[in-house]
Amino acid sequence: EAGVAQSPRYKIIEKRQSVAFWCNPISGHATLYWYQQILGQGPKLLIQFQNNGVVDDSQLPKDRFSAERLKGVDSTLKIQPAKLEDSAVYLCASSSNKRDVGYTFGSGTRLTVV
Amino acid sequence: DAKTTQPPSMDCAEGRAANLPCNHSTISGNEYVYWYRQIHSQGPQYIIHGLKNNETNEMASLIITEDRKSSTLILPHATLRDTAVYYCIVRPRLGGKLIFGQGTELSVKP
Repeated sequence: EAGVAQSPRYKIIEKRQSVAFWCNPISGHATLYWYQQILGQGPKLLIQFQNNGVVDDSQLPKDRFSAERLKGVDSTLKIQPAKLEDSAVYLCASSSNKRDVGYTFGSGTRLTVV
Repeated sequence: DAKTTQPPSMDCAEGRAANLPCNHSTISGNEYVYWYRQIHSQGPQYIIHGLKNNETNEMASLIITEDRKSSTLILPHATLRDTAVYYCIVRPRLGGKLIFGQGTELSVKP
């Protein structure tokens, strides 16, 4: 099966600019996650979707971050305005409700805010 | 969610078994032990998970102590491509978030 697709692979922006990341999960996976991974740390969950509804966004900085998953498939994560501390890799993952083989992660988008 | 404790780094000689320990003394009865690894510049990759019994798949073996307070991930014949950060995570099998700690950075050396 095809993996989780993310784009872009890299992005450099200036602080206060906006940026958006895109994720296409594995076909049929109902659950989608966005993680933030700062250099040297483990991934931190930002938001979890079940189909097109939000299950958990308790760690999402809602003053500047937003995410949506229209039609329960693709998802976008947006940051507006970006801060220097948002520099990180943003990982998307998906999982199936039917078979528990863990999450499948994409390769991530590396964001650098200058 | 139960917390895990792992050594920050380990070395292993190529071809030898790599044994990665994890302590999870506060694990509850319905929580599984999951292992993921993250190779540089890639997303985390699922390796294996278990509840009570030892588990084996094509990638690794998972040994869980009888009291379930600790576990060991075994890579039987480590290769240079196994160099990665390995994360031990406890979570309910169905639902429940994957919460990553710092993991163990495994370096496999020739």
